[in-house]
Amino acid sequence: NAGVTQTPKFQVLKTGQSMTLQCAQDMNHNSMYWYRQDPGMGLRLIYYSASEGTTDKGEVPNGYNVSRLNKREFSLRLESAAPSQTSVYFCASTQRGGRSSYEQYFGPGTRLTVT
Amino acid sequence: DAKTTQPNSMESNEEEPVHLPCNHSTISGTDYIHWYRQLPSQGPEYVIHGLTSNVNNRMASLAIAEDRKSSTLILHRATLRDAAVYYCILYTGGGNKLTFGTGTQLKVEL
Repeated sequence: NAGVTQTPKFQVLKTGQSMTLQCAQDMNHNSMYWYRQDPGMGLRLIYYSASEGTTDKGEVPNGYNVSRLNKREFSLRLESAAPSQTSVYFCASTQRGGRSSYEQYFGPGTRLTVT
Repeated sequence: DAKTTQPNSMESNEEEPVHLPCNHSTISGTDYIHWYRQLPSQGPEYVIHGLTSNVNNRMASLAIAEDRKSSTLILHRATLRDAAVYYCILYTGGGNKLTFGTGTQLKVEL
C-alpha cells in the first residue's frame, strides 16, 4: 500500500495564480483532511471530508476550496494564490468519522511558495 | 476545544527513557488523548492514543493520570531516530478533527 500520496511535492506560484493540490489514499478510509503548516507552527485544519460527498470547513478555510472526487481522492484548490498561503500542505485520512477514535495517516506534504 | 500544554523542548541521551509530559486540565469525559510525532521534513505520524487506561504499543507507552488532566508519553529507549516534534492532542470527535499545538521538540544525543 502506498498510504497517502500527494502531488506535487514542491510548487512555486506567482501571486494570483491558481493551482490544485492532489491527494489520494489507498486504505479505503472514509475521512480525509487538508492541513497547512507554517514554519515553527503546528498544523492547522483547512477543510475536511468526513465521508464521500461531504466537506466541511476547518480552522483556516479562507482562500481555499476542496473537492472530494471519490472515496480515494480529495483535492485542495487555491483560486488566487497569495503570499500568505506559502506553507507546507499535508493531506491525511482516517478510517471513519464520528466519535470513534482512529489514527490519522498523513501524506509527505506539498511545499508551496507564493511569490 | 480543550487545549493541551507541552514543554517547548526536551533533551535526552540515546538508549535512555524519555518522559514527555502533557497537561490537559479542561479535558472532557469523552475526549481521547492522542500523540503524534513529526520527523524533520515529514508528515506527522501516529504514535499512540488512550482514553482512561495506560496503553502500550510497539512505539511507546502512554500513562494517563487518574483524573485525566495530564498524560505522559514514554519512549523506553530513545534513539537518534526518535528526534522529532511530539504533539499531544485531544481528539474531540465530530469528523475526527485533530487540533495540533506547537508540540515538544525532542533532541536525542549520543
